[in-house]
Amino acid sequence: TQLLEQSPQFLSIQEGENLTVYCNSSSVFSSLQWYRQEPGEGPVLLVTVVTGGEVKKLKRLTFQFGDARKDSSLHITAAQPGDTGLYLCAGLGSGGSNYKLTFGKGTLLTVNP
Amino acid sequence: GAVVSQHPSRVICKSGTSVKIECRSLDFQATTMFWYRQFPKKSLMLMATSNEGSKATYEQGVEKDKFLINHASLTLSTLTVTSAHPEDSSFYICSATHWADTQYFGPGTRLTVL
Repeated sequence: TQLLEQSPQFLSIQEGENLTVYCNSSSVFSSLQWYRQEPGEGPVLLVTVVTGGEVKKLKRLTFQFGDARKDSSLHITAAQPGDTGLYLCAGLGSGGSNYKLTFGKGTLLTVNP
Repeated sequence: GAVVSQHPSRVICKSGTSVKIECRSLDFQATTMFWYRQFPKKSLMLMATSNEGSKATYEQGVEKDKFLINHASLTLSTLTVTSAHPEDSSFYICSATHWADTQYFGPGTRLTVL
């Protein structure tokens, strides 16, 4: 069974601060995806990272995939209240469960004005 | 981008009744659909994987007789919660993919069992 440890689980910060969310595993994933979810809605895909060591930027969000494709991070610069939401990392299996996503427990981010 | 819809978005039912939730891929053929359950402020928990035309594969601990899944076409999967009880109240989300491509998620269905 592949597991993804996501931390922190809760994060409350002030507008303008920076933050980093981590996802770690002992398993290798063929790709890792980051989602953002608002209450009462489905998750929305932010980015997919595929190559070990890959870095992708989406405005103030920076995503990294570890060299060994076992871990990933999401860094938000100068957080804004609109960034508030549940952030989920999910790894796509590299074994027999190629189609399944393994989700981390999520990070509930609150950015206070 | 690919769009997945769910219907209904909210449903309230009495204990003991059955509820059907539909998941549709609107602009692509979904070879595989997934059903997830989510508790408040928690992550998604995979319930089952369904491939078009075949029986669903359920995750450990998920009762297949209680959560009936049908994937009769490449654009529609249904989840039926049979003999629902208050503990079945939850947010149910489906996702769809085309041959292990990106999973596209539906907007979710809030089920409340009284």
